[in-house]
Amino acid sequence: NAGVTQTPKFQVLKTGQSMTLQCAQDMNHEYMSWYRQDPGMGLRLIHYSVGAGITDQGEVPNGYNVSRSTTEDFPLRLLSAAPSQTSVYFCASRRTSGGEETQYFGPGTRLLVL
Amino acid sequence: GENVEQHPSTLSVQEGDSAVIKCTYSDSASNYFPWYKQELGKRPQLIIDIRSNVGEKKDQRIAVTLNKTAKHFSLHITETQPEDSAVYFCAASIVYFNKFYFGSGTKLNVKP
Repeated sequence: NAGVTQTPKFQVLKTGQSMTLQCAQDMNHEYMSWYRQDPGMGLRLIHYSVGAGITDQGEVPNGYNVSRSTTEDFPLRLLSAAPSQTSVYFCASRRTSGGEETQYFGPGTRLLVL
Repeated sequence: GENVEQHPSTLSVQEGDSAVIKCTYSDSASNYFPWYKQELGKRPQLIIDIRSNVGEKKDQRIAVTLNKTAKHFSLHITETQPEDSAVYFCAASIVYFNKFYFGSGTKLNVKP
C-alpha cells in the first residue's frame, strides 16, 4: 500500500512551458485534491475531485487544469508556467463515506519556474 | 469563503514546557477542524482533529479545544520534546462541501 504518490519530486520550468504533475493513490479514496504551499501562506486548495469525471475549483484555480478519468489518478496541468507558480505542490486524498475525514498527503512536488 | 487565522507564527519553548497554538475561523458552518504537523521537507501529517459537536479531544500529550461561539480552536502540546519541533497547521472545513482552508502555520521550536 503506497498511499499517495507524486511525480516528479522536483522540476524546473521556463516561463511559458507546460507540464503535468502526477498524483496517484491506491486507497480507493473518492476525494482527491491539489494544494500549493508558499512560505507564510499555509496550503491553498487549487482543485479537487469527489470522483471520476467530477472536478471543481478551489481557492486558487487560475493557471491550472485537472481531470479525473480514474479513481486512482488526479493529474494537475500547468498550461503556461509563470514565475508566480513557483511553489511546492501537494496532492491529497480521503474517503468521503463512513464519517472518515482524514486527508492523506503525498510527498510533494517542488516546482521552480524561471 | 472561509478565512482561517493562526497565531503565533513562531513559538519557542523549553523542553518539558507546554505549547499552545490558536486559530480562528470565519464561517460558522465549518464543522471539522484538523491539525497537521509538517517536518522540514516532508508532507503534512494529521496529528489530531475535532468535529463541531465536540468541545475537546485529547490524544496522549496533544489536545484540541473548540469554542464554536467564539469561532476559535486551539492545539495544546504538553511535556514538549525536541521531536515536536516542526511547523503546525490548523484547518477548517465544511466537510459536505469538500473544501479545506488552512492557517498560515506555526513554527514550533523545542529547545533541549
